[in-house]
Amino acid sequence: GAGVSQSPSNKVTEKGKDVELRCDPISGHTALYWYRQSLGQGLEFLIYFQGNSAPDKSGLPSDRFSAERTGGSVSTLTIQRTQQEDSAVYLCASSLGAVNTGELFFGEGSRLTVL
Amino acid sequence: GNSVTQMEGPVTLSEEAFLTINCTYTATGYPSLFWYVQYPGEGLQLLLKATKADDKGSNKGFEATYRKETTSFHLEKGSVQVSDSAVYFCALSPGAGNNRKLIWGLGTSLAVNP
Repeated sequence: GAGVSQSPSNKVTEKGKDVELRCDPISGHTALYWYRQSLGQGLEFLIYFQGNSAPDKSGLPSDRFSAERTGGSVSTLTIQRTQQEDSAVYLCASSLGAVNTGELFFGEGSRLTVL
Repeated sequence: GNSVTQMEGPVTLSEEAFLTINCTYTATGYPSLFWYVQYPGEGLQLLLKATKADDKGSNKGFEATYRKETTSFHLEKGSVQVSDSAVYFCALSPGAGNNRKLIWGLGTSLAVNP
């Protein structure tokens, strides 16, 4: 598609279950980002992929969170043993490259609710 | 450290009213500044940006001027429309490094009534 695509758009899960969130970036964009947006909070950086470089995982809040990007395109964010505080909107964004333009293209997000 | 503070919402205006959403920042070096907008049911999208002091970003009738002396990047529009109803985010990119370190404000919700 023309934009960043995320799935699922909504996910309700029980505490302790694992979840996977998917992001399909804009074709040709080498940089991919995951952010988390909690109620009343700004966007929290989670992880960044740039081409074949090692990802910047400095924003991941705990070792229950992991992400991978296969073939330089689609990315999956995995949250293991979900907790209620993981409830948030998870946003994926892509950009053309690692340049300091700040122009990120966002998906509509995946809303995660942990009961 | 780097931070962004923007005015709390929600902001409610009548159509054709003047809009100001305040944004101030703290940063080391020479950051770039951005406004992103999130329309209902859509992803965030870049509205405008400014990369150095005194630059003015503009788009869709919105403007913001990078004021280093007041560390501000206030968003303005002379005459808002119902279609401008959205959440607006101010963001900062530090002067060094790439844009993975965007620092975000909390967002300001704007509702424009006909």
